[in-house]
Amino acid sequence: DIQMTQSPSSLSASAGDRVTITCRASQSISSHLNWYRQKPGKAPEVLIYSASTLQSGVPPRFTGSGSGTEFTLTIGSLQPDDFATYYCQQSYSIPYAFGQGTKLGIK
Amino acid sequence: EVQLLESGGGLEQPGGSLRLSCAASGFAFSTYGMNWVRQSPGKGPEWVSSISGSGGVKSYADSVKGRFTISRDNGKDTLFLQMNSLRVDDTAVYYCATDPGGMVLDNWGQGTQVIVSS
Repeated sequence: DIQMTQSPSSLSASAGDRVTITCRASQSISSHLNWYRQKPGKAPEVLIYSASTLQSGVPPRFTGSGSGTEFTLTIGSLQPDDFATYYCQQSYSIPYAFGQGTKLGIK
Repeated sequence: EVQLLESGGGLEQPGGSLRLSCAASGFAFSTYGMNWVRQSPGKGPEWVSSISGSGGVKSYADSVKGRFTISRDNGKDTLFLQMNSLRVDDTAVYYCATDPGGMVLDNWGQGTQVIVSS
């Protein structure tokens, strides 16, 4: 099975900051990588799919990059809504594993 | 507007059974793959099972294979998850989610809580 590892597990930032989250796969998954944001008490929502394609309706401050085994999610200028937990998910092969999450808190 | 409404969760004893439902509306249900994803408190989501639009292709996580069965009724726009031989570690919020292709989970329900405890 493919394992997904995110770093950091948590970070603190201020509104307006630029932050980057990394996701590593235990083997190559090409560009089959999706990013989700989860607000407390809510279901996850997809932000980026196929490593770098912005989901319809998602603001352009979210960008994704990478291929193979290393991927990044960058948030260009943090808004209050962005203080949440972020997950990567590989869509390359069963089982479709998620990372353990990165909790983004307010500094 | 896409809407997914899960139901059927609750408290069950180890070894018991539950049947989850996910009522869909606002999209062409039969043309979408559907998934069940669960999340235990403080943990990341865990993919549980997928079913193709026609219902002909089904996949399961090893942790539930042989105990859970995914199915769908395209005439009633409803997805199901039959959960048998429940274990304590099946305790989680269970979400249904749509997949337009490529295992991108683009719409999620609000979730239904399953608690397995004696």
